[in-house]
Amino acid sequence: NAGVTQTPKFRVLKTGQSMTLLCAQDMNHEYMYWYRQDPGMGLRLIHYSVGEGTTAKGEVPDGYNVSRLKKQNFLLGLESAAPSQTSVYFCASSPGTEAFFGQGTRLTVV
Amino acid sequence: KQEVTQIPAALSVPEGENLVLNCSFTDSAIYNLQWFRQDPGKGLTSLLLIQSSQREQTSGRLNASLDKSSGRSTLYIAASQPGDSATYLCAVLGSARQLTFGSGTQLTVLP
Repeated sequence: NAGVTQTPKFRVLKTGQSMTLLCAQDMNHEYMYWYRQDPGMGLRLIHYSVGEGTTAKGEVPDGYNVSRLKKQNFLLGLESAAPSQTSVYFCASSPGTEAFFGQGTRLTVV
Repeated sequence: KQEVTQIPAALSVPEGENLVLNCSFTDSAIYNLQWFRQDPGKGLTSLLLIQSSQREQTSGRLNASLDKSSGRSTLYIAASQPGDSATYLCAVLGSARQLTFGSGTQLTVLP
């Protein structure tokens, strides 16, 4: 049972490049979340999904897009990366009760 | 908009002390509250989950309470150990199924 898996674990991007972060869960959870965590701060919600085919904006959605075409996958896209998007990104899934987190993706935009 | 506050931001205690971490939230319409632990450079480990209908949950030396009407939760750690040193985060699951985090309490337990 893999739980929540994030791909990749590390990435360095140049300003203006695009990339997609993948979050995969094998627990058949309805709810999935993308967060960013910056030094000295808690986790801030970027986007989330309450089921396959649905997405909703969180606290800091600007500069990011998401898709949930399959129930088990939640993709986070950066169309034109900016240095302000340098952060650690965490994905979570939940059946509506306890939330389970991936190990994070450390993204640096130079 | 749900806002979650954790006080204190940092706490340093000698080994063996009992301690309390605080979490408050502005909207009492929640499904549950969850406490996490995060070690430096690592992911989040779930410690305790309290459903909105519950008052407290216990796991080993940890006890979490929830007072939904006043928008408060506490995490009590008994007989603290250096291995308890970490950042502790609380998160509330609100009515729109948003999971909102506090900014955490960084705990250091001194040997």
